[in-house]
Amino acid sequence: QVQLVQSGAEVKKSGSSVKVSCKASGGTFSSHGITWVRQAPGQGLEWMGGIIPIFGTENYAQKFQGRVTITADESTSTAYMELSNLRSEDTAVYYCARDYEHIATEWGQGTLVTVSS
Amino acid sequence: EIVLTQSPATLSLSPGERATLSCRASQSVSHYLAWYQQKPGQAPRLLIYDGTNRATGIPARFSGSGSGTDFTLTISSLEPEDFAVYYCQQRSNWPSFGQGTRLEIK
Repeated sequence: QVQLVQSGAEVKKSGSSVKVSCKASGGTFSSHGITWVRQAPGQGLEWMGGIIPIFGTENYAQKFQGRVTITADESTSTAYMELSNLRSEDTAVYYCARDYEHIATEWGQGTLVTVSS
Repeated sequence: EIVLTQSPATLSLSPGERATLSCRASQSVSHYLAWYQQKPGQAPRLLIYDGTNRATGIPARFSGSGSGTDFTLTISSLEPEDFAVYYCQQRSNWPSFGQGTRLEIK
């Protein structure tokens, strides 16, 4: 069973960018998708977008188009999510998850991103 | 965008009781609905996918039913570890989640 380990918490200024990593182990990285879901403090879950490493294809929620970039490095079994032009409402826990046709089967532990002005 | 509405917002029950959680979609999602459990400070965990299929390692007391626009997650006999927040999620269109149902100890 795959395990996903994410990078540590980040504190960023408004207008800057953040890049969160998600390293997979114990499974086949390239053949499954990796998706990113975020959760603002005390709020519900929001599907941001994902990538299928073997095809190099990405898809993003319309809300984040132009601000988010999801990439994958097959050589290190690591996926990345970069969010730019940060604002206070981007403060959230960001989760990566293994994506089987938009079913999030296994999840990383989450990365808290705090945006301050 | 498909909107998922979960009810009730909060459900108060005792261990051993039966829990019934609902999820209604703004348009048909066929059978493409999943349920997740989230405990405080933890990532969500997949319980049910495609309406009725239990994920690997999920106990048989969890079951899902429904299709189209109306879905139900049933926990047949609550264990202490089942008290958590439950989310439904559709994948018929761009994925979206319901707002969650908090299952609390009465």
